Amino acid sequence: EVQLVESGGGLVQPGGSLRLSCAASGFTFSSYSMNWVRQAPGKGLEWVSYISSSSSTIYYADSVKGRFTISRDNAKNSLYLQMNSLRAEDTAVYYCARDHVDFWSGYSFMDVWGKGTTVTVSS
Amino acid sequence: EIVMTQSPATLSVSPGERATLSCRASQSVSSNLAWYQQKPGQAPRLLIYGASTRATGIPARFSGSGSGTEFTLTISSLQSEDFAVYYCQQYNNWPPRTFGQGTKVEIK
Repeated sequence: EVQLVESGGGLVQPGGSLRLSCAASGFTFSSYSMNWVRQAPGKGLEWVSYISSSSSTIYYADSVKGRFTISRDNAKNSLYLQMNSLRAEDTAVYYCARDHVDFWSGYSFMDVWGKGTTVTVSS
Repeated sequence: EIVMTQSPATLSVSPGERATLSCRASQSVSSNLAWYQQKPGQAPRLLIYGASTRATGIPARFSGSGSGTEFTLTISSLQSEDFAVYYCQQYNNWPPRTFGQGTKVEIK
């Protein structure tokens, strides 16, 4: 069974740091690009970051650029999100999501999601 | 950045009835559009990709249509398990990948 399990969330003070992890199983992790997507309480979905299978291509949303760092360890089947200089507006459930390339179009979309981990930034 | 706009914000439908959800892109995204379903306390689930292709295991009562800037998700006969929030998302021109604000389908 394809599975993504996030961990590392918690309560952190403004300006603090946190590192999220996503453990993948049931598929060849090293062959897939991955994403982080977040959802603030009662709000919609916001894409946060993307990393290609080899880590050669990385993208960030403007809202987190310069503060968050995405990385992966293919030997450990794991995805990470290092979050620094956290703000109250970073409070959200953070999901990791697998990228799937549509064979016909060549474009990729997010097909499998984890259950998420909650990050609360508050003093 | 491509802005995705969904309508209506809330749709009240009786079980067994048809539900039609709309999604509009601020510029063409070709057919590179996905629909997700999210139930309270759960992760989003992929329903449709390529604007009209059902993901694995998705019932035939879910169908997607459209291309360019106008898209529709139709649920032909609402079941109790279909009451949820639905999001559209474009993957044609990114970063950033952008979502609509969601349509909540509630029981009438």
